[in-house]
Amino acid sequence: EDKVVQSPLSLVVHEGDTVTLNCSYEVTNFRSLLWYKQEKKAPTFLFMLTSSGIEKKSGRLSSILDKKELFSILNITATQTGDSAIYLCANTNTGNQFYFGTGTSLTVIP
Amino acid sequence: GAGVSQTPSNKVTEKGKYVELRCDPISGHTALYWYRQSLGQGPEFLIYFQGTGAADDSGLPNDRFFAVRPEGSVSTLKIQRTERGDSAVYLCASSFDPTSGVQYFGPGTRLTVL
Repeated sequence: EDKVVQSPLSLVVHEGDTVTLNCSYEVTNFRSLLWYKQEKKAPTFLFMLTSSGIEKKSGRLSSILDKKELFSILNITATQTGDSAIYLCANTNTGNQFYFGTGTSLTVIP
Repeated sequence: GAGVSQTPSNKVTEKGKYVELRCDPISGHTALYWYRQSLGQGPEFLIYFQGTGAADDSGLPNDRFFAVRPEGSVSTLKIQRTERGDSAVYLCASSFDPTSGVQYFGPGTRLTVL
Protein backbone atom coordinates (compact mmCIF):
# COMPACT_ATOMS: atom_id res chain seq x y z
CA GLU A 1 0.00 0.00 0.00
CA ASP A 2 1.38 3.41 -0.97
CA LYS A 3 2.13 5.60 2.03
CA VAL A 4 4.11 8.57 3.25
CA VAL A 5 5.48 8.91 6.79
CA GLN A 6 6.76 12.18 8.17
CA SER A 7 8.82 12.86 11.27
CA PRO A 8 8.86 14.42 13.68
CA LEU A 9 5.12 15.03 14.08
CA SER A 10 5.84 18.34 15.76
CA LEU A 11 8.83 20.50 16.49
CA VAL A 12 9.40 23.64 18.55
CA VAL A 13 12.55 25.69 17.93
CA HIS A 14 13.87 29.17 18.58
CA GLU A 15 14.38 31.76 15.92
CA GLY A 16 17.70 31.28 14.19
CA ASP A 17 17.79 27.52 14.66
CA THR A 18 18.16 25.12 11.75
CA VAL A 19 15.61 22.35 11.36
CA THR A 20 15.45 19.16 9.33
CA LEU A 21 12.13 17.56 8.50
CA ASN A 22 11.96 13.98 7.32
CA CYS A 23 9.76 12.16 4.86
CA SER A 24 9.93 8.46 4.02
CA TYR A 25 7.71 6.85 1.47
CA GLU A 26 6.55 3.72 -0.21
CA VAL A 27 4.90 4.24 -3.56
CA THR A 28 4.36 2.09 -6.59
CA ASN A 29 5.42 3.67 -9.89
CA PHE A 30 7.01 6.70 -8.27
CA ARG A 31 6.90 9.93 -10.22
CA SER A 32 7.83 12.74 -7.83
CA LEU A 33 8.01 13.88 -4.24
CA LEU A 34 6.61 17.25 -3.22
CA TRP A 35 6.82 19.49 -0.20
CA TYR A 36 4.08 21.94 0.77
CA LYS A 37 3.71 24.53 3.53
CA GLN A 38 0.29 24.80 5.17
CA GLU A 39 -0.26 27.84 7.36
CA LYS A 40 -4.03 28.07 7.54
CA LYS A 41 -6.07 26.12 5.04
CA ALA A 42 -4.44 26.04 1.62
CA PRO A 43 -1.12 24.19 1.28
CA THR A 44 1.33 26.15 -0.83
CA PHE A 45 3.87 24.45 -3.06
CA LEU A 46 7.53 24.51 -2.03
CA PHE A 47 9.48 21.91 -4.00
CA MET A 48 9.13 19.05 -6.41
CA LEU A 49 11.86 16.43 -6.50
CA THR A 50 12.24 13.72 -9.09
CA SER A 51 15.93 12.84 -9.10
CA SER A 52 18.14 11.55 -6.33
CA GLY A 53 20.90 13.66 -4.92
CA ILE A 54 19.99 16.95 -6.58
CA GLU A 55 19.29 19.65 -4.01
CA LYS A 56 16.49 22.07 -4.63
CA LYS A 57 16.95 25.41 -2.88
CA SER A 58 14.81 28.46 -2.32
CA GLY A 59 16.17 31.04 0.06
CA ARG A 60 16.58 29.46 3.48
CA LEU A 61 14.76 26.29 2.43
CA SER A 62 16.32 23.34 0.68
CA SER A 63 15.34 19.77 -0.02
CA ILE A 64 16.88 16.61 -1.36
CA LEU A 65 15.61 13.19 -2.39
CA ASP A 66 17.13 9.74 -1.98
CA LYS A 67 15.28 7.34 -4.26
CA LYS A 68 17.35 4.36 -3.14
CA GLU A 69 16.53 4.76 0.54
CA LEU A 70 13.06 6.21 -0.24
CA PHE A 71 13.24 9.39 1.77
CA SER A 72 13.50 13.12 1.49
CA ILE A 73 14.50 15.89 3.87
CA LEU A 74 13.48 19.50 4.04
CA ASN A 75 15.96 21.85 5.69
CA ILE A 76 15.18 25.31 6.96
CA THR A 77 18.11 27.43 8.11
CA ALA A 78 17.98 30.56 10.28
CA THR A 79 14.34 29.92 11.12
CA GLN A 80 11.93 32.83 11.55
CA THR A 81 8.53 33.02 13.24
CA GLY A 82 6.97 33.17 9.78
CA ASP A 83 8.22 29.65 9.15
CA SER A 84 5.73 28.35 11.72
CA ALA A 85 3.38 26.08 9.79
CA ILE A 86 2.62 22.47 8.98
CA TYR A 87 4.97 21.06 6.38
CA LEU A 88 3.44 18.38 4.21
CA CYS A 89 5.25 15.80 2.12
CA ALA A 90 3.48 14.08 -0.77
CA ASN A 91 4.26 11.49 -3.41
CA THR A 92 2.82 11.20 -6.85
CA ASN A 93 2.82 8.13 -9.03
CA THR A 94 2.49 7.63 -12.76
CA GLY A 95 -1.28 7.42 -12.31
CA ASN A 96 -1.30 11.02 -11.07
CA GLN A 97 -2.41 9.96 -7.60
CA PHE A 98 -1.15 12.01 -4.67
CA TYR A 99 -0.37 10.54 -1.24
CA PHE A 100 0.20 12.97 1.61
CA GLY A 101 1.84 12.40 4.95
CA THR A 102 0.33 13.68 8.19
CA GLY A 103 2.70 16.61 8.21
CA THR A 104 5.22 18.07 10.63
CA SER A 105 3.98 20.96 12.74
CA LEU A 106 6.79 23.49 13.16
CA THR A 107 6.61 26.25 15.75
CA VAL A 108 9.32 28.90 15.79
CA ILE A 109 9.53 30.85 19.05
CA PRO A 110 10.91 34.40 19.00
CA GLY B 1 -4.34 36.13 -11.53
CA ALA B 2 -7.04 34.39 -9.57
CA GLY B 3 -6.18 31.28 -7.69
CA VAL B 4 -8.37 28.32 -6.86
CA SER B 5 -11.54 29.39 -5.10
CA GLN B 6 -13.93 27.34 -3.03
CA THR B 7 -17.37 28.10 -1.72
CA PRO B 8 -18.68 28.19 0.85
CA SER B 9 -15.75 28.73 3.18
CA ASN B 10 -17.74 27.22 6.02
CA LYS B 11 -20.77 24.99 6.00
CA VAL B 12 -22.67 23.78 9.05
CA THR B 13 -25.35 21.19 8.46
CA GLU B 14 -27.34 18.63 10.34
CA LYS B 15 -26.84 14.91 10.19
CA GLY B 16 -28.73 13.40 7.29
CA LYS B 17 -28.75 16.53 5.13
CA TYR B 18 -27.36 16.93 1.63
CA VAL B 19 -24.51 19.37 0.91
CA GLU B 20 -22.74 20.66 -2.17
CA LEU B 21 -19.24 22.11 -2.13
CA ARG B 22 -17.99 24.11 -5.08
CA CYS B 23 -14.51 24.47 -6.53
CA ASP B 24 -13.46 26.98 -9.16
CA PRO B 25 -10.01 26.02 -10.48
CA ILE B 26 -7.39 28.23 -12.03
CA SER B 27 -8.39 29.04 -15.61
CA GLY B 28 -6.86 26.62 -18.08
CA HIS B 29 -6.06 23.94 -15.51
CA THR B 30 -7.36 20.67 -16.88
CA ALA B 31 -6.69 18.56 -13.78
CA LEU B 32 -8.76 19.00 -10.63
CA TYR B 33 -8.46 17.13 -7.34
CA TRP B 34 -10.64 16.90 -4.25
CA TYR B 35 -9.17 16.08 -0.85
CA ARG B 36 -10.51 15.75 2.67
CA GLN B 37 -8.39 16.85 5.60
CA SER B 38 -9.23 15.99 9.18
CA LEU B 39 -7.59 17.66 12.16
CA GLY B 40 -4.00 16.56 12.57
CA GLN B 41 -3.95 14.66 9.30
CA GLY B 42 -2.63 15.32 5.82
CA PRO B 43 -4.99 15.76 2.88
CA GLU B 44 -6.68 12.49 1.92
CA PHE B 45 -7.27 11.99 -1.79
CA LEU B 46 -10.92 11.67 -2.85
CA ILE B 47 -11.21 12.10 -6.62
CA TYR B 48 -9.26 13.38 -9.62
CA PHE B 49 -10.72 14.86 -12.79
CA GLN B 50 -8.90 15.22 -16.07
CA GLY B 51 -11.16 17.50 -18.09
CA THR B 52 -14.78 16.53 -17.59
CA GLY B 53 -14.20 12.92 -16.65
CA ALA B 54 -13.29 11.41 -13.33
CA ALA B 55 -9.93 9.83 -14.05
CA ASP B 56 -9.72 8.31 -10.58
CA ASP B 57 -12.46 8.19 -7.95
CA SER B 58 -10.89 5.48 -5.82
CA GLY B 59 -10.64 7.78 -2.82
CA LEU B 60 -14.34 8.43 -2.42
CA PRO B 61 -15.19 6.74 0.90
CA ASN B 62 -18.64 5.44 -0.06
CA ASP B 63 -21.55 6.02 -2.40
CA ARG B 64 -22.79 9.01 -0.40
CA PHE B 65 -20.00 11.00 -2.01
CA PHE B 66 -20.17 12.09 -5.62
CA ALA B 67 -18.42 14.76 -7.68
CA VAL B 68 -19.03 16.29 -11.09
CA ARG B 69 -17.22 18.60 -13.45
CA PRO B 70 -19.64 18.92 -16.37
CA GLU B 71 -17.81 21.54 -18.41
CA GLY B 72 -14.27 20.73 -17.42
CA SER B 73 -13.91 23.76 -15.20
CA VAL B 74 -15.98 24.21 -12.03
CA SER B 75 -16.47 21.09 -9.94
CA THR B 76 -19.04 20.26 -7.29
CA LEU B 77 -18.54 17.70 -4.54
CA LYS B 78 -21.86 16.34 -3.34
CA ILE B 79 -22.42 14.53 -0.06
CA GLN B 80 -25.73 12.83 0.64
CA ARG B 81 -27.11 11.87 4.04
CA THR B 82 -24.23 13.56 5.84
CA GLU B 83 -22.79 11.93 8.94
CA ARG B 84 -20.84 13.50 11.81
CA GLY B 85 -17.74 11.69 10.56
CA ASP B 86 -17.90 13.70 7.34
CA SER B 87 -16.86 16.81 9.29
CA ALA B 88 -13.53 17.97 7.88
CA VAL B 89 -11.94 20.57 5.64
CA TYR B 90 -12.53 19.73 1.99
CA LEU B 91 -9.71 20.98 -0.20
CA CYS B 92 -9.71 21.37 -3.94
CA ALA B 93 -6.57 21.67 -6.05
CA SER B 94 -5.95 22.22 -9.73
CA SER B 95 -3.02 21.62 -12.02
CA PHE B 96 -2.15 22.66 -15.57
CA ASP B 97 -0.19 19.49 -16.10
CA PRO B 98 -0.82 16.65 -13.65
CA THR B 99 2.34 14.91 -14.78
CA SER B 100 4.29 17.87 -13.39
CA GLY B 101 3.20 16.94 -9.89
CA VAL B 102 2.49 20.57 -8.99
CA GLN B 103 -0.93 21.46 -7.64
CA TYR B 104 -2.44 24.72 -6.52
CA PHE B 105 -4.80 24.45 -3.59
CA GLY B 106 -7.89 26.42 -2.74
CA PRO B 107 -8.61 27.70 0.78
CA GLY B 108 -10.94 24.80 1.51
CA THR B 109 -14.48 24.43 2.81
CA ARG B 110 -14.83 23.58 6.48
CA LEU B 111 -17.80 21.23 6.79
CA THR B 112 -19.33 20.66 10.20
CA VAL B 113 -22.06 18.06 10.58
CA LEU B 114 -23.97 18.42 13.82
